[in-house]
Amino acid sequence: EAQVTQNPRYLITVTGKKLTVTCSQNMNHEYMSWYRQDPGLGLRQIYYSMNVEVTDKGDVPEGYKVSRKEKRNFPLILESPSPNQTSLYFCASSRSDRANYGYTFGSGTRLTVV
Amino acid sequence: KQEVTQIPAALSVPEGENLVLNCSFTDSAIYNLQWFRQDPGKGLTSLLLIQSSQREQTSGRLNASLDKSSGRSTLYIAASQPGDSATYLCAVAHTGGFKTIFGAGTRLFVKA
Repeated sequence: EAQVTQNPRYLITVTGKKLTVTCSQNMNHEYMSWYRQDPGLGLRQIYYSMNVEVTDKGDVPEGYKVSRKEKRNFPLILESPSPNQTSLYFCASSRSDRANYGYTFGSGTRLTVV
Repeated sequence: KQEVTQIPAALSVPEGENLVLNCSFTDSAIYNLQWFRQDPGKGLTSLLLIQSSQREQTSGRLNASLDKSSGRSTLYIAASQPGDSATYLCAVAHTGGFKTIFGAGTRLFVKA
């Protein structure tokens, strides 16, 4: 089944403890992206990647890092999480032909930083 | 800067009613516009994708239209059912910077 898989689904952590949220897709998509969703603010793009080793900042990149060493994986790294990073996170992927293809989303990761 | 607005923010209708959700965007330089459904605390499910060269797309009881020149899209839901209750999001794939911008969504409640 074609899908985007995020892990973990739920995570509670403490301020300052480094964490990684994994994202993997099995559709050979070139384009991958991370979003966070907050009440009243909607979905905001954190980082995106056009292909392996090519990443760029979205609208809210502060406090996050990403890497794209393999085409299928796009992990989101929080080096020193803070409570304002408590949110629902989504990974999405798409073919690079953006005119003809839309996004496929993962199921989300609910992160709580205390 | 591309901005995407969805009206209304919330909508409550009786079962069986036909309804229209609206999405507007400020910059017509887009690759496509995609409509999603999101159930509470869940992921986003793609409903329809309209390419920038298309005017509409249909899937079952759903029909989405796109008027790029006026910066508008509508999602028409025919014969609404309680199972249609969810938040509906539109997303615009902007050609500038390969970004996709989301609207804030319309929360739909269909009463049985």
